[in-house]
Amino acid sequence: GENVEQHPSTLSVQEGDSAVIKCTYSDSASNYFPWYKQELGKRPQLIIDIRSNVGEKKDQRIAVTLNKTAKHFSLHITETQPEDSAVYFCAASNTGTASKLTFGTGTRLQVTL
Amino acid sequence: DAGVTQSPTHLIKTRGQQVTLRCSPISGHKSVSWYQQVLGQGPQFIFQYYEKEERGRGNFPDRFSARQFPNYSSELNVNALLLGDSALYLCASSAEWGTDTQYFGPGTRLTVL
Repeated sequence: GENVEQHPSTLSVQEGDSAVIKCTYSDSASNYFPWYKQELGKRPQLIIDIRSNVGEKKDQRIAVTLNKTAKHFSLHITETQPEDSAVYFCAASNTGTASKLTFGTGTRLQVTL
Repeated sequence: DAGVTQSPTHLIKTRGQQVTLRCSPISGHKSVSWYQQVLGQGPQFIFQYYEKEERGRGNFPDRFSARQFPNYSSELNVNALLLGDSALYLCASSAEWGTDTQYFGPGTRLTVL
């Protein structure tokens, strides 16, 4: 089955700096890659997603890149703010045969003043 | 995503007991998935249902079962509870089976003593 690895496990940046979180996946059939933000005690919230026919997607300060050949994808957050502090999870799925999401282990992002 | 509801929010049970968790998807969504999130880890896929049929099952023992009702709401049942079943149980809804975007509910925090 699919296996998703996520790095780093913790990331501390100063406000205004950029943050990058990287994930690799094992199943070449995976074609959908969402990123979720989870604040303490809250539900995972979808912040951005990308499909395998696209190499990059941006939404304001957030961007995701996908390299299908290398089977890795990354989340980029620019101009970080304290409210960006949370745990971020990447995930992968193959929507052709199943919609189950396989999640990475999470990255705890701390944005310091 | 704000439309996915789960009940109860918290639950305390003792080993060997049985528990039923409930989920109502976003209005118009026909697919419901269940995930288990142990503290400090990413969500793990348990089940996916679409149009009242099981469409996917994760690597969980037969003590875990689920069903989906005609109104697309769903229940997750866990029998013979173990201490290791203590976790946040998340329900996610999506519009169709094979549709990628999944929106999570607030979860049910289950504590097994």
